[in-house]
Amino acid sequence: GIQVEQSPPDLILQEGANSTLRCNFSDSVNNLQWFHQNPWGQLINLFYIPSGTKQNGRLSATTVATERYSLLYISSSQTTDSGVYFCAVNRDDKIIFGKGTRLHILP
Amino acid sequence: DTEVTQTPKHLVMGMTNKKSLKCEQHMGHRAMYWYKQKAKKPPELMFVYSYEKLSINESVPSRFSPECPNSSLLNLHLHALQPEDSALYLCASSQAGVIGNQPQHFGDGTRLSIL
Repeated sequence: GIQVEQSPPDLILQEGANSTLRCNFSDSVNNLQWFHQNPWGQLINLFYIPSGTKQNGRLSATTVATERYSLLYISSSQTTDSGVYFCAVNRDDKIIFGKGTRLHILP
Repeated sequence: DTEVTQTPKHLVMGMTNKKSLKCEQHMGHRAMYWYKQKAKKPPELMFVYSYEKLSINESVPSRFSPECPNSSLLNLHLHALQPEDSALYLCASSQAGVIGNQPQHFGDGTRLSIL
């Protein structure tokens, strides 16, 4: 099956810093989503991005499907950005989540 | 506030109990999903309903029984669960179509503890 790898696994940053999270996948996929799970367990859909670049406020994402990776950029980090960031890919009616990047923003 | 509502938020039950988890959405979505998430792990897909019909069962044990009474509601009936079934159970919905080809919207989850 498709392997989804996210890096780094853990990231600790000072408030205001920028960060880049990466998602690699081992085979072609139909689609890719980025999610943020906050410390209370709420899972929020950030981007639905099978290819190209999208931006939403301080967050942006780029997927290069031909090279099998996606990047999530977080600028000017805030403490509310803390949590786990998952990418999830789908193919053949399968949805596969990566193990996530655990982000901790220090005040 | 999320547009997918799950109840209860927390549930503690014994291994011999029968309980149900409920999920409701009013976004007109015709695909609904149940996921199980263990601590520090990613969500794992359990079931998918498309147009109120079960389309995917990821080899889930029969002690978990899903039900989709109408396009807005999704239930997960629990019976004779094991301690290892303790987890966060997440419901999601999306526009219908090829699974995963539409953005998914998640509820806040039910934290289930099996004694």
